[in-house]
Amino acid sequence: EADIYQTPRYLVIGTGKKITLECSQTMGHDKMYWYQQDPGMELHLIHYSYGVNSTEKGDLSSESTVSRIRTEHFPLTLESARPSHTSQYLCASSEWGPRSSYNSPLHFGNGTRLTVT
Amino acid sequence: TQLLEQSPQFLSIQEGENLTVYCNSSSVFSSLQWYRQEPGEGPVLLVTVVTGGEVKKLKRLTFQFGDARKDSSLHITAAQTGDTGLYLCAGEVFNKFYFGSGTKLNVKP
Repeated sequence: EADIYQTPRYLVIGTGKKITLECSQTMGHDKMYWYQQDPGMELHLIHYSYGVNSTEKGDLSSESTVSRIRTEHFPLTLESARPSHTSQYLCASSEWGPRSSYNSPLHFGNGTRLTVT
Repeated sequence: TQLLEQSPQFLSIQEGENLTVYCNSSSVFSSLQWYRQEPGEGPVLLVTVVTGGEVKKLKRLTFQFGDARKDSSLHITAAQTGDTGLYLCAGEVFNKFYFGSGTKLNVKP
């Protein structure tokens, strides 16, 4: 029943390669997010977007970049991967809540587990 | 710095026991969510609490939001092996969600 899709699920690449992690959602949500998570640990926000052509950096510094050209698509790119980028990357989306004082919760994809050798 | 502190970090109990997980902060949140995550998957929402003092029940799970909207607890009654997973709380501040470090729960048969 996943409405938010991430590809690939697993990726093993060598240092210096350029990679793009894909994320698409079919719910029409305006807001999308990228989180980085080490196994079994907390999630750190690295990028977010409130709509088309809107992107912001999150609280965890990241060398990755994102784009939001279409509502449903929010890809993340690493120009030159390094072993320190090895982690799980989770994409999420949400919509504005029923009241302006808070937002609807996050819907997550199943993540991309990236290993850089 | 950690905005949300979760405790305990690890919990291993026998099936049928009760447990409580805590999520604490010095910040006030617009809303707070609890998620459960299984290995290799993304977190899945369990509940959202919005009002200070709010209590929500989801079968054997009881969630409470602190009066000041700074903390929350999750209580599981008669735990089952299917409850095993990573439980994460997330607080909403200025349209962003901040996650706690998680509680890894293992329920043994």
